[in-house]
Amino acid sequence: EAAVTQSPRSKVAVTGGKVTLSCHQTNNHDYMYWYRQDTGHGLRLIHYSYVADSTEKGDIPDGYKASRPSQENFSLILELASLSQTAVYFCASSIREGNTLYFGAGTRLSVL
Amino acid sequence: GEKVEQHESTLSVREGDSAVINCTYTDTASSYFPWYKQEAGKSLHFVIDIRSNVDRKQSQRLIVLLDKKAKRFSLHITATQPEDSAIYFCAASIAGSSGNKLIFGIGTLLSVKP
Repeated sequence: EAAVTQSPRSKVAVTGGKVTLSCHQTNNHDYMYWYRQDTGHGLRLIHYSYVADSTEKGDIPDGYKASRPSQENFSLILELASLSQTAVYFCASSIREGNTLYFGAGTRLSVL
Repeated sequence: GEKVEQHESTLSVREGDSAVINCTYTDTASSYFPWYKQEAGKSLHFVIDIRSNVDRKQSQRLIVLLDKKAKRFSLHITATQPEDSAIYFCAASIAGSSGNKLIFGIGTLLSVKP
């Protein structure tokens, strides 16, 4: 069954530490996205990619990097985690822009 | 920047009644308007969408209306059931320098009471 799988499902990180969130999709989709969810802000786009080895900045890219080594995999990297990055992070894929997003289960990140 | 405003942060209805969630958007060029549902503690999944070439779309108990002049769209859930209780997010496509992307509203928590 086609799916978007995120790992880890939850993570506790220390301030200033490095965090990598991983996403793997078997949908054969070109587009992949990273969103964060915060109460009162809904979902905000951090980075996205429409082809392997290329990433684009979303609306709130500061403090985050992204990596798309293959069509199936898309990572979000926090080089120096900060308290303000505590949130739930969702990865999603779509066949093309302007089409249905398929979301992963989410990663709950707590930065202490 | 472009925005999507979701007007009801919470909504409570009785089972069997209709629920309406309203959103407005700022980008005149927006052409795609999906809705997503997030049940408690779970991820989001797509429920229905509408494109700018139509002003109404229905899928079973879900109806989406689009008013391009007012830059407003709405989700109507008829004959609500307890399993409709969830957070509903509206979104609109925004044209960017690297292609279109979706901007989400903040979500509406719908409670359907028996």
